[in-house]
Amino acid sequence: SYELSQPPSVSVSPGQTANITCSGVELGDKYACWYQQRPGQSPVVVIFQDTKRPSGIPERFSGSNSGNTATLTISGTQAMDEGDYFCQAWDTNTIVFGGGTKLTVL
Amino acid sequence: QVQLQESGPGLVKPSQTLSLTCTVSSGSVNSGSYSWGWIRQPAGKGLEWIGRLFPGGGTKYNPSLKSRATISVDTSKNQFFLTLSSVTAADTAVYYCARWARLGFFDYWGQGTLVAVSS
Repeated sequence: SYELSQPPSVSVSPGQTANITCSGVELGDKYACWYQQRPGQSPVVVIFQDTKRPSGIPERFSGSNSGNTATLTISGTQAMDEGDYFCQAWDTNTIVFGGGTKLTVL
Repeated sequence: QVQLQESGPGLVKPSQTLSLTCTVSSGSVNSGSYSWGWIRQPAGKGLEWIGRLFPGGGTKYNPSLKSRATISVDTSKNQFFLTLSSVTAADTAVYYCARWARLGFFDYWGQGTLVAVSS
């Protein structure tokens, strides 16, 4: 079965750039998206189709996907960006989530 | 704005069947533009896709659930359902229902419902 791997945690200082990676075999041949989940809340998509931002998501969120790795980049990270981030990929038969990365803004 | 609401028992005994309902408002489960899914999340852990209901009633499931999951729909009530048979403590989780957009992500989620498996 297809698997996506993420680092368990990433720390960043306020105002700096956070990069969260998601690895999977030939992930660049699929579309990846990213969800943010704050404690006690349901996930919210912040990036879809590798690079696109839904309306209402700040411009500081961006994404890329190539080779075996998709990356979520948060520029000028703010305290409100703390939470868990999950990548997700899919094909016609299955939907797969990464294990999640806890982003801490120190 | 589409809204989804999960409902069902919060406690299920081991070996029994878990049954949940997702009620959709301000949107139709019969829409040909979207499919619908169930996802679960054990406490402190990641998201696990359970299955997906396609327009027209077709379904796909996570193979890891070994055919224990079934998703069905009642279009007259604008609801879809999850049953999970032969549950164990490992099935204890928050269960979410969500709408799947054609662009490849879940765009609307319910608030989630906690189901504990315990005798």
